Amino acid sequence: DIQLTQSPSSLAASVGDRVTITCRTSQSISNYLNWFQQKPGEAPKLLIYAASSLQMGVPSRFSGSGSGTDFTLTISNLQPEDFATYYCQQSYYTAIIFGQGTRLEI
Amino acid sequence: EQLVESGGSLVRPGGSLRVSCAASGLRLQDYNIHWVRQSPGKGLEWVSLISWNGDSTVFAESLQGRFTISRDPSRNGVSLHMNSLRIEDTAVYYCAREASAWPAIDLWGQGTLVIVSS
Repeated sequence: DIQLTQSPSSLAASVGDRVTITCRTSQSISNYLNWFQQKPGEAPKLLIYAASSLQMGVPSRFSGSGSGTDFTLTISNLQPEDFATYYCQQSYYTAIIFGQGTRLEI
Repeated sequence: EQLVESGGSLVRPGGSLRVSCAASGLRLQDYNIHWVRQSPGKGLEWVSLISWNGDSTVFAESLQGRFTISRDPSRNGVSLHMNSLRIEDTAVYYCAREASAWPAIDLWGQGTLVIVSS
């Protein structure tokens, strides 16, 4: 079974910082990698699909890159509303798998 | 466009429950629909998928055949039928739409809470 490993599991940063979250898959999935943001008590929100495509309505300070087995989510100029938990998710295989999450804290 | 889940409740171990997803502003029959769950304080876990035409259903292996999924076109809805419930099935269950152009979940419901406890 494919495994997704996110790092770090938690991250502390300040408003205005640039942060990078990494997602590594145990098998190559081309660019079938999506990123989600989840705030407490809310449903997840799609940020990035196809590894690097910005979902409509998502601020341009969010960006994604990678292909194969190594992917990154970068948030530039952190804003207060960006402090949340972030998940990567593979959609190469029908049985979706999420990473374990990265909690971004102030 | 909105997805609204319902049916979550307290159920005893070994019991059964059906949670439903109703759509407004979109035709669920046009999309693959997923169920994703989240146990308290934990991460996201994919549960099941039903294809746009209902011909294909897929489940997480960890469920060991206890869950089924079905469509109700007359109600523009999808249901998840859960049997032999276990304490570890306690979670918020989200209904979610897969985008047409790319296999990414682009629309989520607000979730419905299922608690399995004696």
